[in-house]
Amino acid sequence: EDKVVQSPLSLVVHEGDTVTLNCSYEVTNFRSLLWYKQEKKAPTFLFMLTSSGIEKKSGRLSSILDKKELFSILNITATQTGDSAVYLCAVEYNFNKFYFGSGTKLNVKP
Amino acid sequence: DGGITQSPKYLFRKEGQNVTLSCEQNLNHDAMYWYRQDPGQGLRLIYYSQIVNDFQKGDIAEGYSVSREKKESFPLTVTSAQKNPTAFYLCASSISQGRNSPLHFGNGTRLTVT
Repeated sequence: EDKVVQSPLSLVVHEGDTVTLNCSYEVTNFRSLLWYKQEKKAPTFLFMLTSSGIEKKSGRLSSILDKKELFSILNITATQTGDSAVYLCAVEYNFNKFYFGSGTKLNVKP
Repeated sequence: DGGITQSPKYLFRKEGQNVTLSCEQNLNHDAMYWYRQDPGQGLRLIYYSQIVNDFQKGDIAEGYSVSREKKESFPLTVTSAQKNPTAFYLCASSISQGRNSPLHFGNGTRLTVT
């Protein structure tokens, strides 16, 4: 059965800490892995990863994919309270079809 | 500004009533999707459409119906046959099949059925 598993389910840190969020998957016909940030409403797109070992970076956020071990990590350095959100991992299979993990809820305290 | 508009933001209905959630996009995307989000669970696919006048069931289509008469619009009807309709509903779109492209989401509709 295809599945996407995120860990931890929730995380509480203090401003300035570095966090690592995990996403493992078992999906047939893998095409890409995506990370989203969801605050109150619409998930907003962070990264799309298709190739192993190539880090994608945007400011304090970075992500990498390991297609051999079937996982991805999302790193956030020097966390801020504005990083508090649910982070969703999704895996695209076939064309434009997606499985989502249940998310990691990050709470950054001042 | 291009984007996806879902309406209404909040919706309250009595059990046994059908209700239709609106989703409109002006991104010129071919594919559109409806997802349901429940607390502690990932997004689950209800229906998707790759082109106008064509749509397919997702993983949890029972009790729902859709139409795709125009490229811009993909309304979702929650029927009285849906056993647990109270949830947060997200509409999304992507460019087209055959290309790696991310989903773009609307702001969601929170449906409460009592």
